[in-house]
Amino acid sequence: AQSVAQPEDQVNVAEGNPLTVKCTYSVSGNPYLFWYVQYPNRGLQFLLKYITGDNLVKGSYGFEAEFNKSQTSFHLKKPSALVSDSALYFCAVRDVGQAGTALIFGKGTTLSVSS
Amino acid sequence: TAGITQAPTSQILAAGRSMTLRCTQDMRHNAMYWYRQDLGLGLRLIHYSNTAGTTGKGEVPDGYSVSRANTDDFPLTLASAVPSQTSVYFCASSDSFGDEQFFGPGTRLTVL
Repeated sequence: AQSVAQPEDQVNVAEGNPLTVKCTYSVSGNPYLFWYVQYPNRGLQFLLKYITGDNLVKGSYGFEAEFNKSQTSFHLKKPSALVSDSALYFCAVRDVGQAGTALIFGKGTTLSVSS
Repeated sequence: TAGITQAPTSQILAAGRSMTLRCTQDMRHNAMYWYRQDLGLGLRLIHYSNTAGTTGKGEVPDGYSVSRANTDDFPLTLASAVPSQTSVYFCASSDSFGDEQFFGPGTRLTVL
């Protein structure tokens, strides 16, 4: 069965420091991987995706993610964190089973950036 | 462009009552989805529809039903609500390739 894991419930980082939010995946075949962000009382917003190609994927708001096939990881990164980056982040993998193009989400990681 | 709208924004419902959560998209996407979000569990797929006229069950379909009479609307119905259905419900849509899903603002449902 396909799955994603986000091993950290919360990540704390000081403004201006680099941040990493971790994600590992388990899929059969080639993975289609995504990162979404959720601000309080809002729906999810797409950040970036990995389908194929370069292992370093660039997305919205200065975020990027590194796909590592050998470690089955897709960690979200940003060189310099902003207080406004504080939010709930979800890693997801496309369900290539019966559910069409639906996504399987991790449990989420709360990112807290302090000033 | 509105994207995806959901109604109501929030609702308190007595156990045993029925309710329909509405979802409408204006992007002409073929695929639509219903997820529920619960603390510590992330988002879980309830039902999905790959195209108008077809629906399928997700990870947690029990107690819910959906219909897809046209491209734009994808209502979710709780026939007889139970307290365990207290959650935040998100509707989403995507094109047939599913590269990016667009989410509605959510409906916060409390079943007492």
